[in-house]
Amino acid sequence: DAGITQSPRYKITETGRQVTLMCHQTWSHSYMFWYRQDLGHGLRLIYYSAAADITDKGEVPDGYVVSRSKTENFPLTLESATRSQTSVYFCASRTSGKYNEQFFGPGTRLTVL
Amino acid sequence: KQEVTQIPAALSVPEGENLVLNCSFTDSAIYNLQWFRQDPGKGLTSLLLIQSSQREQTSGRLNASLDKSSGRSTLYIAASQPGDSATYLCAATQGGSEKLVFGKGTKLTVNP
Repeated sequence: DAGITQSPRYKITETGRQVTLMCHQTWSHSYMFWYRQDLGHGLRLIYYSAAADITDKGEVPDGYVVSRSKTENFPLTLESATRSQTSVYFCASRTSGKYNEQFFGPGTRLTVL
Repeated sequence: KQEVTQIPAALSVPEGENLVLNCSFTDSAIYNLQWFRQDPGKGLTSLLLIQSSQREQTSGRLNASLDKSSGRSTLYIAASQPGDSATYLCAATQGGSEKLVFGKGTKLTVNP
């Protein structure tokens, strides 16, 4: 089906482990985004990408790494997970053009023990 | 730095009531203002987007307005239904930036 998919939907890991969250979109949108959602903080931007091989930091990038070798994929890696990275992670995308709507994936709930 | 505020944090109304959700932003230099709905444990569903040059947008029972000069947007829901119960989030795309800045949302409960 068309849209944005995220995998896994749920993940439990331990402190210090590397974790990669996957995001895939079928619209060929140029822009893709990663957010985290936490009680008390709302949604905060981690990283975004304007096109393949172009990425930039958002509000809370520390501890995260992204790559975008293909337009449709935008994986987010936690190189050494910490408990403070326990959160719900959302991927989003939109077409180029600053007036365009942003569309969100279903989210990945990550727990770091 | 843009800040987006939604008050109240929670709202409970009886079924059938018309209601207004509020969103305020500190910097009027925005490209657009987007309203989302989020059901528990789910992702965000885009409801309406108002471009900076527009005053309002309508979709079914929903109407969103934008007043850049006062830094305010409202989401009007007509004839509310229990199925409208969800958290409603507004977000502004800051001028000169690709980033959406989110409010913390208003949790709406519509009681049968």
